[in-house]
Amino acid sequence: DAKTTQPNSMESNEEEPVHLPCNHSTISGTDYIHWYRQLPSQGPEYVIHGLTSNVNNRMASLAIAEDRKSSTLILHRATLRDAAVYYCILKEMGNKLVFGAGTILRVKS
Amino acid sequence: EAEVAQSPRYKITEKSQAVAFWCDPISGHATLYWYRQILGQGPELLVQFQDESVVDDSQLPKDRFSAERLKGVDSTLKIQPAELGDSAMYLCASSSAGFSYNEQFFGPGTRLTVL
Repeated sequence: DAKTTQPNSMESNEEEPVHLPCNHSTISGTDYIHWYRQLPSQGPEYVIHGLTSNVNNRMASLAIAEDRKSSTLILHRATLRDAAVYYCILKEMGNKLVFGAGTILRVKS
Repeated sequence: EAEVAQSPRYKITEKSQAVAFWCDPISGHATLYWYRQILGQGPELLVQFQDESVVDDSQLPKDRFSAERLKGVDSTLKIQPAELGDSAMYLCASSSAGFSYNEQFFGPGTRLTVL
């Protein structure tokens, strides 16, 4: 299974941008980069995904390095409701999600 | 908005007892997953169904765990007998197809405590 590396935790101030990094040096050409987040006491929630190009949606932006060995999830204005565990996942063929430990994001008011 | 339903939300049982969890995926979703999440860790896939067929159960402890999706819609995960180490959150998810770009939709989970 392809592996990702994320910081254990990060902290942000409310209403400031947050950049969550992810390293995936062993990514293959067909792996999609997915981000999920899990709020306390809830199931994971899809955030965004991409293959090669940067992606934007209503929740976040995903910046993918040109060599695809790293990516960054960008929350443009963090709110208290964004405090969660964020998982960066390389999604292989067959739709299998392999979760790591993720990054705990704390948002300060 | 359609959601994945799970029941019960909480279950307390004694070791050696049998427990069962139920999941109803989003209507029309052909792919269904069961995950186990131990406190402080990410979810781990136990079993994946495509319609009524199992496509991946490599991490399912088959001596005590079983899963079925008889009509390709809702699904049941059973543990018999339960052990102390089975205490965890059991999550169900579904997706519309089994491609690598399809997002998965997760239910709220069942929190199992084995005493």
